[in-house]
Amino acid sequence: QKEVEQNSGPLSVPEGAIASLNCTYSDRGSQSFFWYRQYSGKSPELIMFIYSNGDKEDGRFTAQLNKASQYVSLLIRDSQPSDSATYLCAVNTDKLIFGTGTRLQVFP
Amino acid sequence: DVKVTQSSRYLVKRTGEKVFLECVQDMDHENMFWYRQDPGLGLRLIYFSYDVKMKEKGDIPEGYSVSREKKERFSLILESASTNQTSMYLCASMLSSRDRIKTQYFGPGTRLLVL
Repeated sequence: QKEVEQNSGPLSVPEGAIASLNCTYSDRGSQSFFWYRQYSGKSPELIMFIYSNGDKEDGRFTAQLNKASQYVSLLIRDSQPSDSATYLCAVNTDKLIFGTGTRLQVFP
Repeated sequence: DVKVTQSSRYLVKRTGEKVFLECVQDMDHENMFWYRQDPGLGLRLIYFSYDVKMKEKGDIPEGYSVSREKKERFSLILESASTNQTSMYLCASMLSSRDRIKTQYFGPGTRLLVL
């Protein structure tokens, strides 16, 4: 079992819809959780981090963490074509472990 | 804002050449990292450093070495480049291992092609 798992996608959503990206992790000792956005050919850019159970909102982005079920998700409201990218989930135990990413496509 | 820069965006080298990739951060971060990213494999940690002159092997250190002579600069060295080292190389920095959140910030990446 991979330490951090994400569906590779692509996840296709229409403009204006909610995109829901999911990530599961195996280490129950994980303490902090990150979502990075990576455009094609570019480096990862931090969008959000979360370390407490529940929801954390930042603009159109909401991160959700459920430690009991070992999953973390990212919701993108009012999706825009500019949100089209690969979204990497990363989980920190004693080092940062990345998932392989979910490719999101937002079509007009 | 954290700024992490890498010496080259694109690099083409020949098999057997010695390759230097440099990374500089301007936020006085203690920790620095080198990853490579390949399709389907995600980001894999090559080496990291907690302090000046300190280095630790990551998950795939074979064929690589690193140098950290100054706090702001972390260099990745390919002693004898091989075609399987063709990849995107990403440098990252982090404030400190003692920081609760441990956020890593990435440089723009170097796409290396070894012929």
